[in-house]
Amino acid sequence: GNSVTQMEGPVTLSEEAFLTINCTYTATGYPSLFWYVQYPGEGLQLLLKATKADDKGSNKGFEATYRKETTSFHLEKGSVQVSDSAVYFCALNSGGYQKVTFGIGTKLQVIP
Amino acid sequence: DTAVSQTPKYLVTQMGNDKSIKCEQNLGHDTMYWYKQDSKKFLKIMFSYNNKELIINETVPNRFSPKSPDKAHLNLHINSLELGDSAVYFCASSQDRAYGYTFGSGTRLTVV
Repeated sequence: GNSVTQMEGPVTLSEEAFLTINCTYTATGYPSLFWYVQYPGEGLQLLLKATKADDKGSNKGFEATYRKETTSFHLEKGSVQVSDSAVYFCALNSGGYQKVTFGIGTKLQVIP
Repeated sequence: DTAVSQTPKYLVTQMGNDKSIKCEQNLGHDTMYWYKQDSKKFLKIMFSYNNKELIINETVPNRFSPKSPDKAHLNLHINSLELGDSAVYFCASSQDRAYGYTFGSGTRLTVV
């Protein structure tokens, strides 16, 4: 079956530091890949997505590139802010009726 | 106008009671979902409906019963609540697997 593996965290960074959250996946076929963000007390929001190999998703300074050869979709940001503190979920969708498989979520804490 | 709205936002109830959570989406999406998020932020799919038809029914106790009166609404009824049912329940909707989900803000259920 499908699976998504990401670091559990928490990841603690100082403001303006570089962020990488690793995500690797196992799936049949050609999945679509996603990063979602959950701020405290809120629901998940779609942060970015990529639907085919070598696509780069980007939003709010975050980027992730769909790497089929390494089955990875690592999330990066060049300079994090305190407001980026949240839980980040990597996810994939390869089946019919859009059943999405989520990773365990990585908590990011950015300190001033 | 909230895209996916859930009610109530908080629900505190005693063991053995029966309760319902309601979800409505105004995005015109065909598919809706219920997810359960535990205290460690792990997300587990429970049910999915496509145009009022049940298409995903994961291993969930029979005490949980979804109902979709139309494609814009998906409700979750829980009988004989147990302490282990305490969690945050998220409703979500989607139209196409390439576009990801839109989540509601969640219902925090506490069983005492």
